[in-house]
Amino acid sequence: DTGVSQDPRHKITKRGQNVTFRCDPISEHNRLYWYRQTLGQGPEFLTYFQNEAQLEKSRLLSDRFSAERPKGSFSTLEIQRTEQGDSAMYLCASSPLSGVDTQYFGPGTRLTVL
Amino acid sequence: QKEVEQNSGPLSVPEGAIASLNCTYSDRGSQSFFWYRQYSGKSPELIMFIYSNGDKEDGRFTAQLNKASQYVSLLIRDSQPSDSATYLCAVYTNAGKSTFGDGTTLTVKP
Repeated sequence: DTGVSQDPRHKITKRGQNVTFRCDPISEHNRLYWYRQTLGQGPEFLTYFQNEAQLEKSRLLSDRFSAERPKGSFSTLEIQRTEQGDSAMYLCASSPLSGVDTQYFGPGTRLTVL
Repeated sequence: QKEVEQNSGPLSVPEGAIASLNCTYSDRGSQSFFWYRQYSGKSPELIMFIYSNGDKEDGRFTAQLNKASQYVSLLIRDSQPSDSATYLCAVYTNAGKSTFGDGTTLTVKP
């Protein structure tokens, strides 16, 4: 499978716990994105990497959220001290550096905070 | 006003009809425009993109872009029940930032 993969697919946690999600982009894609999506809404931009550099971060992202892409390949998204409002689908997408920014999404990680 | 606006629907069309989905955007600097299909519980799937004014056709799908009116649309010809999904419009404005609408739910009735 050469598509974008995400792990885990589902995560249930208790309020106050930390969680970490992983995204493996399409191998030749330099750009990697994280989005959050809640029911009835479109994906909401969180952050963007070009290779290992984090170039853009949403103002909506609180200090509890952090993302890394240390070697320019896979990326992790960590949420500290989770809150019930963090319950959502977390989507990762990747795109090639050249040409139109066509983003291909992974299957997502569904987070439920109890 | 949201940056990307779509009618939430639901839009219902009979099988074989043309479905027309619309999207407006606020940033005149927007460069590229994308349509995604999202089935319930699944992640968005890219249908097509457009970046020049006019029409772009891909099989049963046609994207239309009018930058002067800040309007982009997707036409689905010969609609099939399998086309029933939520259709998301996404607008790429600058390096690394794409803004999505909240989607239009389409139902194609057999």
